[in-house]
Amino acid sequence: RKEVEQDPGPFNVPEGATVAFNCTYSNSASQSFFWYRQDCRKEPKLLMSVYSSGNEDGRFTAQLNRASQYISLLIRDSKLSDSATYLCVVNPPQGGKLIFGQGTELSVKP
Amino acid sequence: DAGITQSPRHKVTETGTPVTLRCHQTENHRYMYWYRQDPGHGLRLIHYSYGVKDTDKGEVSDGYSVSRSKTEDFLLTLESATSSQTSVYFCAISDRFSWGQPQETQYFGPGTRLLVL
Repeated sequence: RKEVEQDPGPFNVPEGATVAFNCTYSNSASQSFFWYRQDCRKEPKLLMSVYSSGNEDGRFTAQLNRASQYISLLIRDSKLSDSATYLCVVNPPQGGKLIFGQGTELSVKP
Repeated sequence: DAGITQSPRHKVTETGTPVTLRCHQTENHRYMYWYRQDPGHGLRLIHYSYGVKDTDKGEVSDGYSVSRSKTEDFLLTLESATSSQTSVYFCAISDRFSWGQPQETQYFGPGTRLLVL
């Protein structure tokens, strides 16, 4: 089983749609969690951290479910500019190193 | 954007030749990382450094070596390139939390596309 698993997609949605991505992780002792965004042929960039209480940043909401070992990312009112690959990232207990999921590709169409 | 550059940005080489990739940062961050990214695998850690002359292996370190003689530079060397090392290579940096743990947020360089023929 991979340490971090994501549905690779692609998710094809119309502008204005709400879309949700899930990610599961295998190590229950993992300490921190992130979503990164990667545009085509570019470097990954931090989108948001994921906190136990859930957190929101504009149209983006991240949730963590430690009991079920998954994190989610919800994007409301999708924009064309949201088209990218979204990487689920987990910091395992030993710290200092991140484990990346394969990424979920999102394509927002007009 | 964090001050991270990688060179070269693109390289084509032949099997068996040595290749060195350079990562340069202007942020004075202590931690530096080398990843490779391949379809179906996501980002995988090759080596990382937690200070000048302090390095350790990552998940896919075979066939790679690194060196860090200055805070700002982290070099990745493929001693004898193979076709399986064709990939996109990303460098990343991170800093330390005040209570002594490395800050997990990593900032990435623009990447180097390497093709080994």
